Amino acid sequence: ETGVTQTPRHLVMGMTNKKSLKCEQHLGHNAMYWYKQSAKKPLELMFVYNFKEQTENNSVPSRFSPECPNSSHLFLHLHTLQPEDSALYLCASSQVSGGGYTDTQYFGPGTRLTVL
Amino acid sequence: AQTVTQSQPEMSVQEAETVTLSCTYDTSENNYYLFWYKQPPSRQMILVIRQEAYKQQNATENRFSVNFQKAAKSFSLKISDSQLGDTAMYFCAFMNGWGAQKLVFGQGTRLTINP
Repeated sequence: ETGVTQTPRHLVMGMTNKKSLKCEQHLGHNAMYWYKQSAKKPLELMFVYNFKEQTENNSVPSRFSPECPNSSHLFLHLHTLQPEDSALYLCASSQVSGGGYTDTQYFGPGTRLTVL
Repeated sequence: AQTVTQSQPEMSVQEAETVTLSCTYDTSENNYYLFWYKQPPSRQMILVIRQEAYKQQNATENRFSVNFQKAAKSFSLKISDSQLGDTAMYFCAFMNGWGAQKLVFGQGTRLTINP
């Protein structure tokens, strides 16, 4: 595997289900991100993890729960979602230096989520 | 807050033509980064080109080049000799300067290359 991978690619769930999205990066990066892409809205940053620590939560509802066990893996746990949460969820990774240099973010192919 | 505006929701050109996609942004920062990403029907968001605001020289990557006008806060993408594989959504994105990690995206431009 190369780059950033995401599983599953498609997910359909009911509002009472619990599911998880998985992201894995094979680029040796130390920062990972979740973005949400809804129809007719720009991509929105949800969470940022640096060195496994969450550094940003962009006012995301608690029904979305991220987990970052190590610098290569990122999960998004979903529970009691609403139909308006249906969207494409994109994972990205980048390298963050101690000096603050901002590197390019590389994206995975996304998970298309449909909430019934 | 930073904002990114892409004023062309859709564009369509013939294969081999040159096309320019527009992007403007708003920021009070002096040090920042600008990106163009491409999202084909496969949904994979692919980096096309990156520009550092402190660099006066416009970035180029093969058939892709930008016209970066810092004073006007404009960052357009030119695609030369367009190919069918260039058909995709194109997103302009902004990232604040030193140490920032939040990408702010525009609404996107749907580009279709016709045979």
